Amino acid sequence: GQNIDQPTEMTATEGAIVQINCTYQTSGFNGLFWYQQHAGEAPTFLSYNVLDGLEEKGRFSSFLSRSKGYSYLLLKELQMKDSASYLCAVNLLTGGGNKLTFGTGTQLKVEL
Amino acid sequence: GAGVSQSPSNKVTEKGKDVELRCDPISGHTALYWYRQSLGQGLEFLIYFQGNSAPDKSGLPSDRFSAERTGGSVSTLTIQRTQQEDSAVYLCASSPRPQKEQYFGPGTRLTVT
Repeated sequence: GQNIDQPTEMTATEGAIVQINCTYQTSGFNGLFWYQQHAGEAPTFLSYNVLDGLEEKGRFSSFLSRSKGYSYLLLKELQMKDSASYLCAVNLLTGGGNKLTFGTGTQLKVEL
Repeated sequence: GAGVSQSPSNKVTEKGKDVELRCDPISGHTALYWYRQSLGQGLEFLIYFQGNSAPDKSGLPSDRFSAERTGGSVSTLTIQRTQQEDSAVYLCASSPRPQKEQYFGPGTRLTVT
C-alpha cells in the first residue's frame, strides 16, 4: 500500500528556519508536492519536485531524494503568517492517470 | 482570473438523505479531482477525471458515492443515503493537466445529523 509520514506538529520562532520532513513508501511515484493549508481554508500549492535535488522559491525550498523516499520543506525567515498545516503529497501514476496521495500534514506554529 | 468554485459552502442534512455537491473548475483545466478532509485529518482522494477518459473511482468509499463531469467542465459529487461518517469538508481541485499543481476550491462543509 501507500504510506506517507510527516511529523504531526512543529513549533518554531519568528525569523528562524524550520525543516519539515516527509518520508514515503509508494509504488508508481511520479513526483512530490508540498501544499500549505491555513485553518478553515483550502490547500495552496507551494512546490513540486520530480527529480532529485533542491528547488528554491523565495523563502521556501523543497528537497527530494527518490532513492531514499524522502523529501523536506525548508522555510526560512519565518513569519507569523507561516503558521499553518503543511501537506506532503505524492503523485502516483496509476492505470487511470495521476492522483495525489496526501500525508496527514504537519501543523506548524510560529511563535514570537 | 476565476479560481475553482464550489457550492454550497455549507450543507447540513439529515441522515439518510441524498446530497449533491457542485464544483466549477478553472476554465481550460482538463483534470478534476474530488477529495474529502475530516477534522484534523489529511486529504482523502475520492475520484479523478481527466479529459474524456473514464474516471478513476478508486477512492470512492462506498457505492453510495458517485460523481460525474458534464461537458468536461462542471462536476457534481452525489452522496446517497448519507451517514454521519460522511460528515467532512469535500474539496474539489483542478489542474491544467496531470502532474501539474492542483488548484483547490474553498470546499463544501457537509454535516450529517
